[in-house]
Amino acid sequence: GGIITQTPKFLIGQEGQKLTLKCQQNFNHDTMYWYRQDSGKGLRLIYYSITENDLQKGDLSEGYDASREKKSSFSLTVTSAQKNEMAVFLCASSTGRGQNTLYFGAGTRLSVL
Amino acid sequence: GEQVEQLPSSLIVQEGASVLINCSYTDSASVYFPWYKQEPGKRLQFIIDIRSNMERKQTQRLTLLFDKKTKHLSLHITATQPGDSAIYFCSGYNTNTGKLTFGDGTVLTVKP
Repeated sequence: GGIITQTPKFLIGQEGQKLTLKCQQNFNHDTMYWYRQDSGKGLRLIYYSITENDLQKGDLSEGYDASREKKSSFSLTVTSAQKNEMAVFLCASSTGRGQNTLYFGAGTRLSVL
Repeated sequence: GEQVEQLPSSLIVQEGASVLINCSYTDSASVYFPWYKQEPGKRLQFIIDIRSNMERKQTQRLTLLFDKKTKHLSLHITATQPGDSAIYFCSGYNTNTGKLTFGDGTVLTVKP
């Protein structure tokens, strides 16, 4: 079976800092996603990518950049961390697009001081 | 855009009880509805799904009902066990936007 690996597991940043989160998958899946999970809320889509070098904005893309330079990896950049921000960022992948099961990583927990 | 509402936000039951989690969506272009479970400290994992051309799907102790007319789904879990304690998320895939939208989740606690 495959796995999705997110690094780092924990990320502590300063206000205004640019922070990068990384995700690798060995499923050979075409589509990869970045979701943000806030406490008590569902997952909100930040960016997704249907193939290498493709990027599609989600509902929460403002304040973030993403990059899919290889099929197996998808990175997310917080362009300017907001003070007291706390959230978990989840990476996922799926074959094809939409009507397929998503496989999730363990998450990166972000805290901004 | 599509909105997915999930109720209740939390449930506490005794082991062996049945539970019902409700989910509603707004956009008729949503056609595929997977549900995911997040156990404490673990990754989200797929548990069951249904497509808009179906009314019911069952797998082991899970039954998923879908009403296209009312845009409503319900997940029924029977004979709950402490290991079922988790956050359950419904979601809907919209063919117009190409996005999968999640509900806010239902925290289920099953007491032994």
